[in-house]
Amino acid sequence: DVKVTQSSRYLVKRTGEKVFLECVQDMDHENMFWYRQDPGLGLRLIYFSYDVKMKEKGDIPEGYSVSREKKERFSLILESASTNQTSMYLCASSGTSGSNEQFFGPGTRLTVL
Amino acid sequence: KQEVTQIPAALSVPEGENLVLNCSFTDSAIYNLQWFRQDPGKGLTSLLLIQSSQREQTSGRLNASLDKSSGRSTLYIAASQPGDSATYLCAVGNDYKLSFGAGTTVTVRA
Repeated sequence: DVKVTQSSRYLVKRTGEKVFLECVQDMDHENMFWYRQDPGLGLRLIYFSYDVKMKEKGDIPEGYSVSREKKERFSLILESASTNQTSMYLCASSGTSGSNEQFFGPGTRLTVL
Repeated sequence: KQEVTQIPAALSVPEGENLVLNCSFTDSAIYNLQWFRQDPGKGLTSLLLIQSSQREQTSGRLNASLDKSSGRSTLYIAASQPGDSATYLCAVGNDYKLSFGAGTTVTVRA
């Protein structure tokens, strides 16, 4: 089974802090994604990566950056956390051969005070 | 831009009843369509994936159909159980990106 893990289930940070969210997948997938999920707004794509060191902006990249130094690991960085970045963050991965099915991690609930 | 709509937003049924969840999308040039389940405070679990060339997929009590020309997909859950209570999300794939609906929250009453 595909496994996508995220470094924290719950995280509380202060405004202005630099925040790192880590995601690791064990299926040798080329594509990895970061979403945020908010009530009434659904899931929105922040960034995705289609290969090591390659990235593309999603629908809401402002205030975020990403890093992919190794194929299995994709990090989301909040350079200076703000209260409007309080949200559920979900990581996903998919392969490029076959179905392109996306598999999700358990999510990180981030609260910025 | 792909718009994905799920109706109804919420559904409550007695145990044993069949569930019918609807998903519609505006751009029929899709690569695939995925149905997910999400429990409160948790991540998404993939239930079924239908490729654009397929009409339906089945897994146990779940069956999903796809009509690309009309921009619709339906998820059927047979003989619902209280454990089926969750939010069900439809996501339409264009290449390797997904566009999500807002979900249907299902409550199955014992």
